[in-house]
Amino acid sequence: ETGVTQTPRHLVMGMTNKKSLKCEQHLGHNAMYWYKQSAKKPLELMFVYSLEERVENNSVPSRFSPECPNSSHLFLHLHTLQPEDSALYLCASSQVWDRFYEQYFGPGTRLTVT
Amino acid sequence: SQQGEEDPQALSIQEGENATMNCSYKTSINNLQWYRQNSGRGLVHLILIRSNEREKHSGRLRVTLDTSKKSSSLLITASRAADTASYFCATDSGGGADGLTFGKGTHLIIQP
Repeated sequence: ETGVTQTPRHLVMGMTNKKSLKCEQHLGHNAMYWYKQSAKKPLELMFVYSLEERVENNSVPSRFSPECPNSSHLFLHLHTLQPEDSALYLCASSQVWDRFYEQYFGPGTRLTVT
Repeated sequence: SQQGEEDPQALSIQEGENATMNCSYKTSINNLQWYRQNSGRGLVHLILIRSNEREKHSGRLRVTLDTSKKSSSLLITASRAADTASYFCATDSGGGADGLTFGKGTHLIIQP
C-alpha cells in the first residue's frame, strides 16, 4: 500500500460538515482517479485527472469537488453530503503512455455520512 | 451503464480446487483487466489482457478473452485460503487516461 496512500482511512461526518479526502501516489504516474464503491453496486468512476487536468467528470453532484495540485496529489473536497454518499472512496493512479495500462489503487477512505 | 458483469456473484470452493469466474461486457474494448479486493480494502491489479490476445498466464492465474462473445474468464488454480476475496473485471474502452468500467464482482470464498 505504499504506492498509493489515502487519508483518512475512516471518516464520519454530518451533512453540514466540510471535509477533504487526500490521495498521494509515489509511483511517478501522470493520471489519477477517484472511484466510489457502494454496497452491492459496481465501482463508479467519479473523476479523472491526466497531467493535472481534469479529463472526465461522470455527472458527479457538485457537493463533490476534486482538486489535483500536482501529479502526485489528489483531493476530494466534500460539503453538504447526503447519507447515500456513504461509501468507500478509492483513489487510483496510472502511467498513461500507451493504450494499455493498469491502475494502482489506494486502500480507500470509508466515509459515513450521518 | 455497467460494462463488466461477473458470474457467478459468489463462489465457495475447497482449498486446492480450481476457481473459475466469468465476465461479460457490452462494448468494444482496448483491454480487459482483473482485480482482487480483500474485504474493505483497495483493489489489487492481477492481470491485463489486450483485445488482440486470447489467453494469458500469470502464476496460478489464467485469463482468457473471447472478443466475439465479449467475454473473459479468470481461472485460479490450486486455490488457497488467501485467495478469498472479491474479484472484478474491468474494461478500458477508450485510450489514454480513461477510467475503467467495473462489474459488481465475484465474491470467492476458499474453505480450508
